[in-house]
Amino acid sequence: NAGVTQTPKFQVLKTGQSMTLQCAQDMNHNSMYWYRQDPGMGLRLIYYSASEGTTDKGEVPNGYNVSRLNKREFSLRLESAAPSQTSVYFCASSPNYRGVAKNIQYFGAGTRLSVL
Amino acid sequence: QKEVEQNSGPLSVPEGAIASLNCTYSDRGSQSFFWYRQYSGKSPELIMSIYSNGDKEDGRFTAQLNKASQYVSLLIRDSQPSDSATYLCAGLYNFNKFYFGSGTKLNVKP
Repeated sequence: NAGVTQTPKFQVLKTGQSMTLQCAQDMNHNSMYWYRQDPGMGLRLIYYSASEGTTDKGEVPNGYNVSRLNKREFSLRLESAAPSQTSVYFCASSPNYRGVAKNIQYFGAGTRLSVL
Repeated sequence: QKEVEQNSGPLSVPEGAIASLNCTYSDRGSQSFFWYRQYSGKSPELIMSIYSNGDKEDGRFTAQLNKASQYVSLLIRDSQPSDSATYLCAGLYNFNKFYFGSGTKLNVKP
């Protein structure tokens, strides 16, 4: 069981470069999420997709775009990277059961991004 | 803005003691709460989930939820050095939206 797979694991960018972080889950989950985590801080939601075909902004969406390619895949794109986007990025998924307060998030291993 | 407040710590306990981690939350409509453990440089992993008032026990871990006081806690009995990590408290609303506290760092000293 792979669970949630993120690629790449590490990346160094120069200011202004673009890149796409990939995420795939094999648990048939409806909802997928992108978070960033900065030192000493919790997880901040960038974007999420409640179900295939929908995406919504989270707490810190500026400078990012997302694509829910299909039920399995949810990518995060940085169009013009800035040093402030240096962070650890986590993708997560959850079943999004309706009427059942047992939804649990499962996390990928993370992508460590440095923008110089 | 939905918020979860946690003491950042570090919380230091001796090996074998009980570690008590707490968080408070702002949204009374939150449906479930979760405790995640995160080792340095790793991703969060689920320890406990709870959605009813009261206690829920799983091995050495007990989660407690008090919706009237908007308070969630995690007790770790017989703490081990391997329990040293950052513990994140999270709430769920609308069945698919999660919000996280900033985490409490726990140090268990041999």
